[in-house]
Amino acid sequence: DVKVTQSSRYLVKRTGEKVFLECVQDMDHENMFWYRQDPGLGLRLIYFSYDVKMKEKGDIPEGYSVSREKKERFSLILESASTNQTSMYLCASSSRTEAFFGQGTRLTVV
Amino acid sequence: QQQVKQSPQSLIVQKGGIPIINCAYENTAFDYFPWYQQFPGKGPALLIAIRPDVSEKKEGRFTISFNKSAKQFSLHIMDSQPGDSATYFCAAREGKLTFGTGTRLTIIP
Repeated sequence: DVKVTQSSRYLVKRTGEKVFLECVQDMDHENMFWYRQDPGLGLRLIYFSYDVKMKEKGDIPEGYSVSREKKERFSLILESASTNQTSMYLCASSSRTEAFFGQGTRLTVV
Repeated sequence: QQQVKQSPQSLIVQKGGIPIINCAYENTAFDYFPWYQQFPGKGPALLIAIRPDVSEKKEGRFTISFNKSAKQFSLHIMDSQPGDSATYFCAAREGKLTFGTGTRLTIIP
C-alpha cells in the first residue's frame, strides 16, 4: 500500500515561530508537492520538487520555504508563522499519472 | 487567476440522482485531467482521469465527459449513494497539477 506520511495531524503554533512540516513517501517518486487547502479556494500549490535538492515555487510561495535533502523527504518551512498561514497543509508525491496525498496537517497559528 | 474553474461550490442531490460537477480551463497545454475525491479527515485520492484525445471515460458509476473545443470537462455520478458524499476536485496537468476550487457533494437518503 503506497504511503505519503505527514508528521503531524494537528499543530498549534504562536505568531513568529519557525514551523517545520515534514513529509515522507515510500514510492520512490521523484516529484513531491506541498499544497494548502482553504475553503472556497481549493488546493493551492506552495512549492514543488522534481529531484533531490531541487525546488520550484508554486502559486503561493510567499512566507514559505522548502527543503529536500533526500528523495523520500520533503519539508515545508514557515520562517515566521503568521495567522494568515492557519490552514490545512497537504503533501503529495506523484508518478507521471497519479498524485498521492498525505492525510494533511491542520496548522493553527495563534 | 484561477486556471481551472470548477462549479458548483456545493451540491445536494437525492440518493439515486446524477450529480454533475463542471470544470473549465484556458491552457491548451494541459494534457491530463484527473478528478480527486476527498473524504473528511483524509487527503484527496484519485478517482478517475481522462486524456484530451478521448471524449468520455467511464469507471463504474463515475463518468468524465470531455469537450476539447469548449475546454470543459465534467464528472457525472450515476445512481449516487450517501457514501459518495465528499469533496470533489478537478485538476489539469502541464507538468504539475493545477486544481479547481472543489465541490462539496452531499447525497441525501
